[in-house]
Amino acid sequence: AQSVAQPEDQVNVAEGNPLTVKCTYSVSGNPYLFWYVQYPNRGLQFLLKYITGDNLVKGSYGFEAEFNKSQTSFHLKKPSALVSDSALYFCAVVNDYKLSFGAGTTVTVRA
Amino acid sequence: GAGVSQSPSNKVTEKGKDVELRCDPISGHTALYWYRQSLGQGLEFLIYFQGNSAPDKSGLPSDRFSAERTGGSVSTLTIQRTQQEDSAVYLCASSLVTGGWEKLFFGSGTQLSVL
Repeated sequence: AQSVAQPEDQVNVAEGNPLTVKCTYSVSGNPYLFWYVQYPNRGLQFLLKYITGDNLVKGSYGFEAEFNKSQTSFHLKKPSALVSDSALYFCAVVNDYKLSFGAGTTVTVRA
Repeated sequence: GAGVSQSPSNKVTEKGKDVELRCDPISGHTALYWYRQSLGQGLEFLIYFQGNSAPDKSGLPSDRFSAERTGGSVSTLTIQRTQQEDSAVYLCASSLVTGGWEKLFFGSGTQLSVL
């Protein structure tokens, strides 16, 4: 079965610093990978996806992710974090026509 | 509608009672998914629908859980004889087509508390 892992439960960064949220995948074949974000008291929102093509994917709110086949990773990045980026981030992979999600990473951006 | 709507937003029930959770997907979306999010846990897949049929029910935790979808639209998740371990946020999502590679639009969820 296809799966993803998020090795960090929490990430803390200062506002203005780069933000990285890690995700590794375990799949057979070519993976379809996603990032979703859950802001406090709000529903999950799509950020970006990788299906095929350019390894660097750009998404909403200034986020991007790099697909790295050799390292089986799909890390989410933002060059300069904002306090408003504080949220719960989920990596996900398509698995038998549905999404399988990682355990999530809580990001806290301090002012 | 404008987005995925779930009701109720909160449900408190007593152990052993039955509950029904409702999901109204975005109009025209053929795929509908149910997930469960427990405190400190990730998102656990329960079931998905393609139209009115459910090709994958593999995530339903027990036979106390069932779901249906009618008219290719509204879906109801029913939990019979609720247990305390059923307490969680139940999330519904829809997408234009099935396959998983289209982005999902999530509702705000139903917070279920079983006392």
